[in-house]
Amino acid sequence: QKEVEQNSGPLSVPEGAIASLNCTYSDRGSQSFFWYRQYSGKSPELIMFIYSNGDKEDGRFTAQLNKASQYVSLLIRDSQPSDSATYLCAVNRNIAGGTSYGKLTFGQGTILTVHP
Amino acid sequence: KAGVTQTPRYLIKTRGQQVTLSCSPISGHRSVSWYQQTPGQGLQFLFEYFSETQRNKGNFPGRFSGRQFSNSRSEMNVSTLELGDSALYLCASSSILDPFYNEQFFGPGTRLTVL
Repeated sequence: QKEVEQNSGPLSVPEGAIASLNCTYSDRGSQSFFWYRQYSGKSPELIMFIYSNGDKEDGRFTAQLNKASQYVSLLIRDSQPSDSATYLCAVNRNIAGGTSYGKLTFGQGTILTVHP
Repeated sequence: KAGVTQTPRYLIKTRGQQVTLSCSPISGHRSVSWYQQTPGQGLQFLFEYFSETQRNKGNFPGRFSGRQFSNSRSEMNVSTLELGDSALYLCASSSILDPFYNEQFFGPGTRLTVL
């Protein structure tokens, strides 16, 4: 079982729709969760992070975390063609003194295409 | 505030050579992590440095090494290059003011091609 799994995609949505990206993780010790966006040929860009169960909203983006189900998702409302990119889910254990220093574990990414 | 910078942006080497990549973190950030990104394996953690000390290391052979300087700039070195080392090498910096968060900000990467 992979440590972090994302819906395989690619995901295609029409402009203005809601895009839903999902991620599950296997390590129950994971404590912080990140969503990165990566445009083709570019480096990952941090767009959202979440640490507590529930929803966190930032503009058109909403991150949802359910630690009991080991599930984190990203919703993009009013999707725009400029949102077309690969979305990477990453987790971290945050346990000081352990093997978690500076280490984010990434999923394989979901390619999102928003068509006009 | 300037972002993370990496040099060089592109490198072409041949098998058996060695290479050194450089990373300058965001001003004030003291933690630098390195990752390798390939189409097949995705983003994989190489190692992390803080205050000139390697605190964590991923599952890569000893040919991959790094160091950090007193100004938090970091370098990674790959010796005896193999074709499979062709990848995008990314560094990310973090302020770790609160160690719980570990928000990492990536540089533009160095694209290494091994021929």
